Amino acid sequence: DAGITQSPRHKVTETGTPVTLRCHQTENHRYMYWYRQDPGHGLRLIHYSYGVKDTDKGEVSDGYSVSRSKTEDFLLTLESATSSQTSVYFCAISARTGGGEKLFFGSGTQLSVL
Amino acid sequence: DQQVKQNSPSLSVQEGRISILNCDYTNSMFDYFLWYKKYPAEGPTFLISISSIKDKNEDGRFTVFLNKSAKHLSLHIVPSQPGDSAVYFCAASESTSYGKLTFGQGTILTVHP
Repeated sequence: DAGITQSPRHKVTETGTPVTLRCHQTENHRYMYWYRQDPGHGLRLIHYSYGVKDTDKGEVSDGYSVSRSKTEDFLLTLESATSSQTSVYFCAISARTGGGEKLFFGSGTQLSVL
Repeated sequence: DQQVKQNSPSLSVQEGRISILNCDYTNSMFDYFLWYKKYPAEGPTFLISISSIKDKNEDGRFTVFLNKSAKHLSLHIVPSQPGDSAVYFCAASESTSYGKLTFGQGTILTVHP
């Protein structure tokens, strides 16, 4: 358990509404990530953060923004949700263990955009 | 352009036998490879990794083999157990990329008692 909590665990929303997903970690890790999981695509990186107020885009960042005002919290915002953003969203932290950098994931948020 | 591919969507194995999950990659800059296991309604959990300076890494029942010339890696599970039934994701990165992993599509492993 890497001390990662995602909220909410499930959310149903309507097209065009804003949505914010929260990731909270308790172990002071510098690097945090948002991935989405879709059938046929595995997990894809949306955005990541390498420190407070330091963020960058991943592979599928269009339609998403992030913020990190505190080390422990990393927020993912869908400014105007679309049906293509229906997915399972995973937050992760990066930690070096056993000689290599590894990601440790939260339990995920299932988001449905109707 | 899928840089990491798992061409078998599913695999079914008898308990006690070997499970072999395969993964191919195209980006020659990848030098660090990982396998994750995922149960329904949970996040992926790290299983085993290998650096490109090695061709094999073992951890208990799990062994990962890396063939750099073929850009291919495989995960062997011996012996397979019903609790191993899950989705397995292969992932790759450049070791300097700090967690920016490229994942395969996943393979659903079912181990029958």
